[in-house]
Amino acid sequence: QKEVEQDPGPLSVPEGAIVSLNCTYSNSAFQYFMWYRQYSRKGPELLMYTYSSGNKEDGRFTAQVDKSSKYISLFIRDSQPSDSATYLCAMSGNSGGYQKVTFGTGTKLQVIP
Amino acid sequence: EAGVTQFPSHSVIEKGQTVTLRCDPISGHDNLYWYRRVMGKEIKFLLHFVKESKQDESGMPNNRFLAERTGGTYSTLKVQPAELEDSGVYFCASSGTVKNIQYFGAGTRLSVL
Repeated sequence: QKEVEQDPGPLSVPEGAIVSLNCTYSNSAFQYFMWYRQYSRKGPELLMYTYSSGNKEDGRFTAQVDKSSKYISLFIRDSQPSDSATYLCAMSGNSGGYQKVTFGTGTKLQVIP
Repeated sequence: EAGVTQFPSHSVIEKGQTVTLRCDPISGHDNLYWYRRVMGKEIKFLLHFVKESKQDESGMPNNRFLAERTGGTYSTLKVQPAELEDSGVYFCASSGTVKNIQYFGAGTRLSVL
């Protein structure tokens, strides 16, 4: 079983829709939870970063972490065609603060104008 | 501020040849990481440098891979001799000393024929 599970999609939505992206994980040592956005032929770009459980909002993006269920989500409001990309969930532990990051496979999102 | 830069962006070599990938981290970042994504799989950790020292090399696939970070600045990842299964995208990331947030380069796409 993978440490991080993520539906690869693809997910296709109309412009303006609310997008929900999710990951589950099995390692209870994970403390840092990230969402990266990756455009084709580019490197992952950090979108959201959350420590432990809770919600975090940044503009149209909201990240949620539920450690009791080992479940994290990313919501995108008023989705735009420029949001079309692959979204990677990622997480790491807290051993001195510099543990390796474990990634999900990524969900490919297409926002149709 | 310049981001993480990687050279070359794309490398095509034949099985048995040697390839060296280079990564220049964000200036001042002591932590440097190498990751790899093979076709259809998630991005996986290879190793982690703190300055010039290897902190964690648990993800290195075998002894055909050699990573160095002389002087604690840029890093190189050498594959010798390359095999077909080494094909994939090699990412470098760096992080500072304050937060456990890693910034990624655009990656080097390696094709072994």
